[in-house]
Amino acid sequence: GAVVSQHPSWVICKSGTSVKIECRSLDFQATTMFWYRQFPKQSLMLMATSNEGSKATYEQGVEKDKFLINHASLTLSTLTVTSAHPEDSSFYICSGSGLAGNEQFFGPGTRLTVL
Amino acid sequence: GENVEQHPSTLSVQEGDSAVIKCTYSDSASNYFPWYKQELGKRPQLIIDIRSNVGEKKDQRIAVTLNKTAKHFSLHITETQPEDSAVYFCAASFRDYKLSFGAGTTVTVRA
Repeated sequence: GAVVSQHPSWVICKSGTSVKIECRSLDFQATTMFWYRQFPKQSLMLMATSNEGSKATYEQGVEKDKFLINHASLTLSTLTVTSAHPEDSSFYICSGSGLAGNEQFFGPGTRLTVL
Repeated sequence: GENVEQHPSTLSVQEGDSAVIKCTYSDSASNYFPWYKQELGKRPQLIIDIRSNVGEKKDQRIAVTLNKTAKHFSLHITETQPEDSAVYFCAASFRDYKLSFGAGTTVTVRA
């Protein structure tokens, strides 16, 4: 199957700093990438959808100025959490789609802890 | 938007027994229904999916059924094993390929 990587796998940062998470599709071109956030013992909540070369579409309630998404190429999307606060601590997961059909291929996730 | 409800939230079964998880969706236009298994701290892993032009699909011990009229779909795991213990999520999507996830079911297989 198609492979998606994420970096870093975990990060600890101080409140007020910014953190960038990278999502790469390794063996396919991801025309669309999705960013999810998952709090402990909860489901995956879609934050935004990004298509290569265009602005991301954010879900209701997700602050676009706080969660900056860039999808500059067909194999790379980045999520930057700006001015992170403890309530932003969560498991962030990306996925890529681009092969035939609706199937999404998930990255391994990034555990963000904001102190 | 699409709303997916999943039941039960927890399920405990004896090893060797069957497990059934049920989901309902709200958007009749949804046409893709994947099921994921997620272990603690790991990515969701696709275990089976079904499209709206099919009523049932089976892969070894796992099967999924879809009732488009009633807008519900179910996951069936037979001959459960301890390694089947995990959180299972159903999801539904439409043409924009966005997935709406159910709340998840924590399955525990007792040895």
